[in-house]
Amino acid sequence: EIVLTQSPGTLSLSPGERAALSCRASQSVSSNYLAWYHQKPGQAPRLLIYGASSRATGIPDRFSGSGSGTDFTLTISRLEPEDFAVYYCQQYSTSPFTFGGGTKVEI
Amino acid sequence: QIQLQESGPGLVKPSETLSLTCIVSDYSIKSGFYWGWIRQPPGKGLEWIGSIHHSGGNYRNPSLKSRVSISVDMSKNQFSLRLNSVTAADTAVYYCARMGPGAHDSFDVWGQGTLVTVSS
Repeated sequence: EIVLTQSPGTLSLSPGERAALSCRASQSVSSNYLAWYHQKPGQAPRLLIYGASSRATGIPDRFSGSGSGTDFTLTISRLEPEDFAVYYCQQYSTSPFTFGGGTKVEI
Repeated sequence: QIQLQESGPGLVKPSETLSLTCIVSDYSIKSGFYWGWIRQPPGKGLEWIGSIHHSGGNYRNPSLKSRVSISVDMSKNQFSLRLNSVTAADTAVYYCARMGPGAHDSFDVWGQGTLVTVSS
């Protein structure tokens, strides 16, 4: 099983600042089958990035994904108030598909 | 616009079987996509349970495999989850979601989730 480790656990920032979230895999994620989601309290996760760097439909361009192999990053260029949430990475290259433990982005 | 809605009992007794259905609206389940179940214990992270294709091909998380069955009903445009021999550790919000057209894809559309509590 591929274990995904996200860091930091919590990121305290202000609106307008840049956020960089890390996701490290215990073994290589083939074909860059790595996705990012965010989740607000009481809501389902929402897909932001798939294929490590492709934005999902309707996702603003302040969100960008990068990385390959075992190291991936989600960058939010300028935080908007609605971006404060928990962010999860997920690998779908190898079954069982696994999620990271999450990074909370808080004000 | 595609919508997914989970339905099923919110309370299940220990050792019994948890049964949930995901009703898919405004999209045919036969369109060739995979469909999945994910759960989230209260205050914790996400765990993939398993996924199924409309053809019936499916794969499950080995940690749950012996207790999980996933099926699809094309006539009702829905798919279902059964988890037997439940314990308190199975208490979670259960989500159904659409994957992409391949067996290796992200989850691009999610249901709102349903809380299932295992308790006597």
